[in-house]
Amino acid sequence: RKEVEQDPGPFNVPEGATVAFNCTYSNSASQSFFWYRQDCRKEPKLLMSVYSSGNEDGRFTAQLNRASQYISLLIRDSKLSDSATYLCVVNILYEGGGSNYKLTFGKGTLLTVNP
Amino acid sequence: ETGVTQTPRHLVMGMTNKKSLKCEQHLGHNAMYWYKQSAKKPLELMFVYSLEERVENNSVPSRFSPECPNSSHLFLHLHTLQPEDSALYLCASSQSWGTHGANVLTFGAGSRLTVL
Repeated sequence: RKEVEQDPGPFNVPEGATVAFNCTYSNSASQSFFWYRQDCRKEPKLLMSVYSSGNEDGRFTAQLNRASQYISLLIRDSKLSDSATYLCVVNILYEGGGSNYKLTFGKGTLLTVNP
Repeated sequence: ETGVTQTPRHLVMGMTNKKSLKCEQHLGHNAMYWYKQSAKKPLELMFVYSLEERVENNSVPSRFSPECPNSSHLFLHLHTLQPEDSALYLCASSQSWGTHGANVLTFGAGSRLTVL
């Protein structure tokens, strides 16, 4: 099982649609989870952290299911400006030893919102 | 200047050249990173410096050599690269490294490298 695996996409949706992205992770000891957003030819930027109880930020809702090792991101009322690649990021135990964790990225899911 | 700045933004080099990528962070963070981003692959962590000490990453070829002279600056020295090393190289920083809790990364805009 890959450390962090996302829907391969791409997703093409009309403006106003609701779209959901899924992500699974392999390390049950992971404690920190994030969604980053990367616009075309730009750097990744933090979109939101994902908390155990689920969290919402405007049109964006993130959910965590520890039992299934699964994270989701829901975008409601999609805007053209939401077009980007969405990266699932998980803190994974670093294989170099000790108790250090490193942020591990999924491949990303490309979203295109069409007028 | 704020955030994380990288130079150059674009670099074209031959396989026998020696060049360096530079990164500077103005956030007072204690950890700095080099990531490689290739098409259709997840971001790959190359190197980490925590409090100016390097965290080993044995999977990176020796033709990539990092340097961290102080907590605000990070370099990636490049020599005898291969065409498959062409990619976007992203520098990032975070408040700390390796903690179990949240470790939000702030990225620079990246240096797009083409090796001919």
